[in-house]
Amino acid sequence: QKEVEQNSGPLSVPEGAIASLNCTYSDRGSQSFFWYRQYSGKSPELIMSIYSNGDKEDGRFTAQLNKASQYVSLLIRDSQPSDSATYLCAAAGGAQKLVFGQGTRLTINP
Amino acid sequence: EAGVAQSPRYKIIEKRQSVAFWCNPISGHATLYWYQQILGQGPKLLIQFQNNGVVDDSQLPKDRFSAERLKGVDSTLKIQPAKLEDSAVYLCASSARPFYEQYFGPGTRLTVT
Repeated sequence: QKEVEQNSGPLSVPEGAIASLNCTYSDRGSQSFFWYRQYSGKSPELIMSIYSNGDKEDGRFTAQLNKASQYVSLLIRDSQPSDSATYLCAAAGGAQKLVFGQGTRLTINP
Repeated sequence: EAGVAQSPRYKIIEKRQSVAFWCNPISGHATLYWYQQILGQGPKLLIQFQNNGVVDDSQLPKDRFSAERLKGVDSTLKIQPAKLEDSAVYLCASSARPFYEQYFGPGTRLTVT
């Protein structure tokens, strides 16, 4: 079992729709969770951080954390073509210290 | 506020040669990370520093990779000798404290031929 698992995609979503990205993690000791966006040929850019169970909203982005299910998600509302990128989920603070998933490639279709 | 700086941006070397990468973190960030990202994969943590001490280097191939962070500010990562499988992007990131938001530099794309 991978420490942080994401569906590699590609995930294709029409413009204006909601994109839903999911991530599961294996280390129950993980305390901090992050979503990064990475455009092709660029470095990861922090979008959201979440530390406690529930939802956290920032503009068009909502991160959701469920520690009991070891599940993190990212919702992108009103998806734009500029949201097309690879989204990386990361979990930190457990025995494995800090681990990234392999990323989900998201494509927004105009 | 200046971001994380890295140099060089690109490097091409032959196998068995050595190479060094440099990173300057965001001012005031005590925690510094080096990652290796192979195409199509997520970043893999190589080493984590807290100030000038090593917190985690469990995934650093110590027979060929070394890293230091003198004076708790900038850092260098060295590979000697390089292998073909070291071809990747080497990312440096920093955060104000461990397991907090990390900010990445532009990365160094290494090609080993």
